[in-house]
Amino acid sequence: ETGVTQSPTHLIKTRGQQVTLRCSSQSGHNTVSWYQQALGQGPQFIFQYYREEENGRGNFPPRFSGLQFPNYSSELNVNALELDDSALYLCASSLMVGSYNEQFFGPGTRLTVL
Amino acid sequence: AQSVTQLGSHVSVSEGALVLLRCNYSSSVPPYLFWYVQYPNQGLQLLLKYTTGATLVKGINGFEAEFKKSETSFHLTKPSAHMSDAAEYFCAVILSTGGGNKLTFGTGTQLKVEL
Repeated sequence: ETGVTQSPTHLIKTRGQQVTLRCSSQSGHNTVSWYQQALGQGPQFIFQYYREEENGRGNFPPRFSGLQFPNYSSELNVNALELDDSALYLCASSLMVGSYNEQFFGPGTRLTVL
Repeated sequence: AQSVTQLGSHVSVSEGALVLLRCNYSSSVPPYLFWYVQYPNQGLQLLLKYTTGATLVKGINGFEAEFKKSETSFHLTKPSAHMSDAAEYFCAVILSTGGGNKLTFGTGTQLKVEL
């Protein structure tokens, strides 16, 4: 069974640019959640996708957007990058069958905005 | 809305000593509570979780936590620390109703284990 994978592992961008981060969910999972973890902080919920539809969003501006594909993999897109977007971006997959579904995290993508 | 407070951003213990990492939560409905561990340059690994049932839950690597509703706490303990326990630990909460899969994390506690 393949776990959650994310690409790339590291990325350096400059202010104003756009970035796409990718996540492959664990086999059999239908839900992907994205989190932003700034240095020295706990992860913050960005949004969740279930069966290709957004299923909840945290307190992040619209320039953070996402997609989920028919194979349940997902992308996180960030437009007009700001310095504060520098963080570890974590993807978690789960199988949505009830009120609580255990999330399995990938290793993350480290984004640096200069 | 739910929130989690972790007391102590850094905790240092000697190898073989008791590990106690503190977590208090705020939730308007019964919560589901979790402890995750994060090793350097890695993602999050679930240590243990409380959803329903027994309030003392055991997890991996010898860790356990007790859900105390009256104290709104979910402290993480391990009787004897090992060098390999050095990592960052996060407490997290999901609401049992309407919370979906949104995990709300604390700010983390960095555990240092000394010889």
